[in-house]
Amino acid sequence: EDQVTQSPEALRLQEGESSSLNCSYTVSGLRGLFWYRQDPGKGPEFLFTLYSAGEEKEKERLKATLTKKESFLHITAPKPEDSATYLCAVVRGATNKLIFGTGTLLAVQP
Amino acid sequence: NAGVMQNPRHLVRRRGQEARLRCSPMKGHSHVYWYRQLPEEGLKFMVYLQKENIIDESGMPKERFSAEFPKEGPSILRIQQVVRGDSAAYFCASSPLTAGSSYNEQFFGPGTRLTVL
Repeated sequence: EDQVTQSPEALRLQEGESSSLNCSYTVSGLRGLFWYRQDPGKGPEFLFTLYSAGEEKEKERLKATLTKKESFLHITAPKPEDSATYLCAVVRGATNKLIFGTGTLLAVQP
Repeated sequence: NAGVMQNPRHLVRRRGQEARLRCSPMKGHSHVYWYRQLPEEGLKFMVYLQKENIIDESGMPKERFSAEFPKEGPSILRIQQVVRGDSAAYFCASSPLTAGSSYNEQFFGPGTRLTVL
């Protein structure tokens, strides 16, 4: 069965302290992996799509990478406004539904 | 270009009542997905619709839940005879129709938070 596991569940960083979030997946024939950011009380905000192993994408302080078994979201010199829950999801099936992990709650302290 | 719109943002119902959740996709998008986020759990797929068609309802509970996406107007997720376990955040996502594309990104609305008393 397709599965997405994110770690750690929660991460507390000091402002400027770089780190990485992990998303490991088991899916037959990966057709896409998504990263979203979710703030409390809001809907997920699209960040990145990755389609094949070796692919990398960047946006401001965030960089997403993909291997055959996992994806990393690297956060460089984070700021307090980067505090949020980061969600990973894989595309499943012909109807493109998303299978989500339970997220990593990131807190960046000034 | 307005994003995905959902209303109401908050909905309170008593056990046994009906809940209707509405979703207006982004302009130009003809694919709608509904997901549910239970407290302390991840987002779970419920149903996928295109205009006037339910394409995949494999994540929808067999009873009390239904969804539609009419030719005109928003997509509706309907929950009949609500129970406390239905309390959750319900999110709608829309995706564009791109001829020949194998995949389209999904953009989420702000969600409807349903509380069943």
